[in-house]
Amino acid sequence: KAGVTQTPRYLIKTRGQQVTLSCSPISGHRSVSWYQQTPGQGLQFLFEYFSETQRNKGNFPGRFSGRQFSNSRSEMNVSTLELGDSALYLCASSGSGTSYEQYFGPGTRLTVT
Amino acid sequence: GDSVTQMEGPVTLSEEACLTINCTYTATGYPSLFWYVQYPGEGLQLLLKATKADDKGSNKGFEATYRKETTSFHLEKGSVQVSDSAVYFCALVPRTNAGKSTFGDGTTLTVKP
Repeated sequence: KAGVTQTPRYLIKTRGQQVTLSCSPISGHRSVSWYQQTPGQGLQFLFEYFSETQRNKGNFPGRFSGRQFSNSRSEMNVSTLELGDSALYLCASSGSGTSYEQYFGPGTRLTVT
Repeated sequence: GDSVTQMEGPVTLSEEACLTINCTYTATGYPSLFWYVQYPGEGLQLLLKATKADDKGSNKGFEATYRKETTSFHLEKGSVQVSDSAVYFCALVPRTNAGKSTFGDGTTLTVKP
């Protein structure tokens, strides 16, 4: 099976702009989660979508939003970008098994200038 | 809430040395436990997992045992190689929140020839 794919891999934006990141999960996986990775804060959970519904949400401001489509592909959007939003954004998918492991994509490196 | 504490790094070892990276957790119930590895410029790769007490996860010479009594999941390898140099993350997923992993801060391992 193909792994989790994320596009774009790299992105440079200016403060105040908005950005949309895309994630395609492993075929058959219905859960997609998003994480932000920074040197200072480590890996922080943003939100999880399952069957087009947000099932879990982390402690991020409302500028961070997401959605999931009927084919399980997911997008996350960040509006009014701030310098502190510079990070590696990781998407992970998981299947319906009982061990709950997540499979990660390569990430999108967002730089806000 | 749930939390994972990893031993602080970085860790530098000579090739063929023994490795132990400590990981302890706090969670309600009985979470699934994981070790992930991240190589430079890449996403996280699942290294091994354990889903219940006394389970031993193993992969590529790495092992970790789910210890409920000490709430620990220490990563071990008997003989490290230069190619093991990477960042290692301990993580848990609660059974009540399958799409939300909680990660430790990561431990950077450098193996010198």
